[in-house]
Amino acid sequence: AQSVAQPEDQVNVAEGNPLTVKCTYSVSGNPYLFWYVQYPNRGLQFLLKYITGDNLVKGSYGFEAEFNKSQTSFHLKKPSALVSDSALYFCAVRDMRDDKIIFGKGTRLHILP
Amino acid sequence: GAGVSQSPSNKVTEKGKDVELRCDPISGHTALYWYRQSLGQGLEFLIYFQGNSAPDKSGLPSDRFSAERTGGSVSTLTIQRTQQEDSAVYLCASSLGGAGIMDGYTFGSGTRLTVV
Repeated sequence: AQSVAQPEDQVNVAEGNPLTVKCTYSVSGNPYLFWYVQYPNRGLQFLLKYITGDNLVKGSYGFEAEFNKSQTSFHLKKPSALVSDSALYFCAVRDMRDDKIIFGKGTRLHILP
Repeated sequence: GAGVSQSPSNKVTEKGKDVELRCDPISGHTALYWYRQSLGQGLEFLIYFQGNSAPDKSGLPSDRFSAERTGGSVSTLTIQRTQQEDSAVYLCASSLGGAGIMDGYTFGSGTRLTVV
């Protein structure tokens, strides 16, 4: 069965600095990978996905993520953090042979002004 | 509708009572999912409906939990004899195809269930 791990419960970054939110996954086949964001008092929103092709995928709000097959990772990155990026971020994975997405426990990102 | 609609937005119930949570997906979305979000537990998969196929119930935590989807649209999640550990935010999502490959899932705002 597929699983996903987000090793950091919380990440603090100063505004303007680059940010990374870590994610590793485990699947038996080829993965589909996703990042979702949950802003305070708002629903979960889709950020980006990796299905196939380029290992670096770009998504909403200037975020990007790099698929690394050898390290089974899909870290979320942004070159310059904004205070408005403060939110709860979820990594998710789907095995190609399954139809449901499994989410990680989430990482709370705090951008400090 | 324009988005995934869930009702009620908040529900407080007494331990032992049954509750029903409703999800109205985006029109035309064939896939519908229920997840549970508990503090510190992330999003826990509960159940998945895809078209007319038999639902994937592998995430339901006990036989007190059940869900149905009528006419391929609205879904109801029922929790019987609620327990305090059932307190959580129950999220519904829908997508065009399986697992949101095209555009990801669209989530509703959730139902916050509190069992007292």
